[in-house]
Amino acid sequence: KNQVEQSPQSLIILEGKNCTLQCNYTVSPFSNLRWYKQDTGRGPVSLTIMTFSENTKSNGRYTATLDADTKQSSLHITASQLSDSASYICVVSGGYSTLTFGKGTMLLVSP
Amino acid sequence: DAGVIQSPRHEVTEMGQEVTLRCKPISGHDYLFWYRQTMMRGLELLIYFNNNVPIDDSGMPEDRFSAKMPNASFSTLKIQPSEPRDSAVYFCASSPLVGGADEQYFGPGTRLTVT
Repeated sequence: KNQVEQSPQSLIILEGKNCTLQCNYTVSPFSNLRWYKQDTGRGPVSLTIMTFSENTKSNGRYTATLDADTKQSSLHITASQLSDSASYICVVSGGYSTLTFGKGTMLLVSP
Repeated sequence: DAGVIQSPRHEVTEMGQEVTLRCKPISGHDYLFWYRQTMMRGLELLIYFNNNVPIDDSGMPEDRFSAKMPNASFSTLKIQPSEPRDSAVYFCASSPLVGGADEQYFGPGTRLTVT
């Protein structure tokens, strides 16, 4: 069964600090992995996407990594800001029409 | 482009009533998706369309749920009769392509409360 597990479930950090969110998946076959940011009361917005051959992708202060061998991905946030407070969702595409969503990590950046 | 448009943004209804959620995808996107999001289960794909044709409705929870896409610019998700366990945020998303590198663009969602 295709599954995406994210950890931690929630996280509180101080403004300016770094943090790393984890995503483990068992989706097969694998096409790509995407991280979404979902602000409270809004729809998810894509941050990064990585295919099988990519192991790092950056978007400003967000850096995603992918280890296709161990089926793990991480999202690293550098110098966190209050606006980073959101839910971060890992989504794995298994090819045509197959999308498996993680339940997300709720991040709160405290002043 | 205004992005994906959903209406209403909030809906409160009584158990047993019919509920209709509406979505206007981004112009030119061939794929439209309906999702349900709850704290317990996260985001769940209910159904998706390609060129107005339903492709996969395996995520639709039961016969009380139905979705239509009469044209490229409009889709509805209907729940009849509604039940309290249907309370969730329902998202519509559109994409030029599914499963590939093209991302899905989500609407703001409709928060449904069934009392």
